[in-house]
Amino acid sequence: DAGITQSPRHKVTETGTPVTLRCHQTENHRYMYWYRQDPGHGLRLIHYSYGVKDTDKGEVSDGYSVSRSKTEDFLLTLESATSSQTSVYFCAIQARPYYGYTFGSGTRLTVV
Amino acid sequence: QKEVEQNSGPLSVPEGAIASLNCTYSDRGSQSFFWYRQYSGKSPELIMFIYSNGDKEDGRFTAQLNKASQYVSLLIRDSQPSDSATYLCAVNQRAGANSKLTFGKGITLSVRP
Repeated sequence: DAGITQSPRHKVTETGTPVTLRCHQTENHRYMYWYRQDPGHGLRLIHYSYGVKDTDKGEVSDGYSVSRSKTEDFLLTLESATSSQTSVYFCAIQARPYYGYTFGSGTRLTVV
Repeated sequence: QKEVEQNSGPLSVPEGAIASLNCTYSDRGSQSFFWYRQYSGKSPELIMFIYSNGDKEDGRFTAQLNKASQYVSLLIRDSQPSDSATYLCAVNQRAGANSKLTFGKGITLSVRP
């Protein structure tokens, strides 16, 4: 989507390896979110950020960490990838509280 | 746990019919409500938002909100095969000074030509 890009789009990695997914936005929005989407579970919040160096855990944060050193970049790291982390990961940005989110195109991650 | 529930689906309607998608939420403090459409293999796309009780119309789409009943719905008139997708209901709930969206699991709509 315009203004928000995720990289990589697809990745296959081995169990036990660290993986970092990147979300980059050009909208200068303060609020950023990482979700995973799995069949039967819908979208589940992993971590979120309300500004530079201001991050917090979502409902499924175990095994994940995030960093936000610049407004435009929000990084999601799988510290030691497991097969249960095979999923589609979406980043989202939000202009203001109570506004809707704009989603990136997603990263399909496969852990083998 | 603040929840957002949608009909389990899938929902199948003939072309030209009205599709009715429903959603309930548990947090009475919810402030804003959204409907997202997600085509297979794509990311969710915002199609409607509503903040106040009543109806909001945008083309063939109408969002309806009833805060007393904690109920939000999406009507799609004159359904087209291109409307076939998964529809996600999302509710924006207070989180301190900010807010967070909670999503339903979605309902898959199929429009039969």
